[in-house]
Amino acid sequence: QQQVKQSPQSLIVQKGGISIINCAYENTAFDYFPWYQQFPGKGPALLIAIRPDVSEKKEGRFTISFNKSAKQFSLHIMDSQPGDSATYFCAAVPSGGYQKVTFGIGTKLQVIP
Amino acid sequence: KAGVTQTPRYLIKTRGQQVTLSCSPISGHRSVSWYQQTPGQGLQFLFEYFSETQRNKGNFPGRFSGRQFSNSRSEMNVSTLELGDSALYLCASSLGQGAAHEQFFGPGTRLTVL
Repeated sequence: QQQVKQSPQSLIVQKGGISIINCAYENTAFDYFPWYQQFPGKGPALLIAIRPDVSEKKEGRFTISFNKSAKQFSLHIMDSQPGDSATYFCAAVPSGGYQKVTFGIGTKLQVIP
Repeated sequence: KAGVTQTPRYLIKTRGQQVTLSCSPISGHRSVSWYQQTPGQGLQFLFEYFSETQRNKGNFPGRFSGRQFSNSRSEMNVSTLELGDSALYLCASSLGQGAAHEQFFGPGTRLTVL
């Protein structure tokens, strides 16, 4: 039972383009939504995170859009670069902490020159 | 400041054996969580330790266990290994419990069960 559905599972974008990864959740108890970036041979690293009282958060080229009523959130990577090629995971954390954190299945992004 | 370290990085075991993985958190971090990462299931929460006590546990069988020492270092043990236990096991540390504290992941231990 996948409580956080992530799509697409793979994505190829040209350099300079916009990469968009979508996630949807079911459990309304989630109240913290981080995105992680993972390079081969490395553990995931926190990229950006949002709480449901905010509809958008931007950090550099990375933006999270959050739609609480639809229970959906997405990551936009503007001006995508080859160095952004990695696997991206969305996650949903309930109030109280990471004990019930649920991750999306991951999206493998490839940015081609 | 050194990051989260995990040892060993790679491990090959056979079915029925047991294995112990080690995690050293970032200095000052008191919370350590363990995750299993597989291509089919993605990242799944195993358990969390804080101040030497297991605070929370995911939906894994009792063959998976762990402990935390007074210096916050943690070990994870898997007994009676099964083929399906082949995975990347990730450790993450944070200053405290709760989503307010960012988790920092180690590089993982790649376990292969033959």
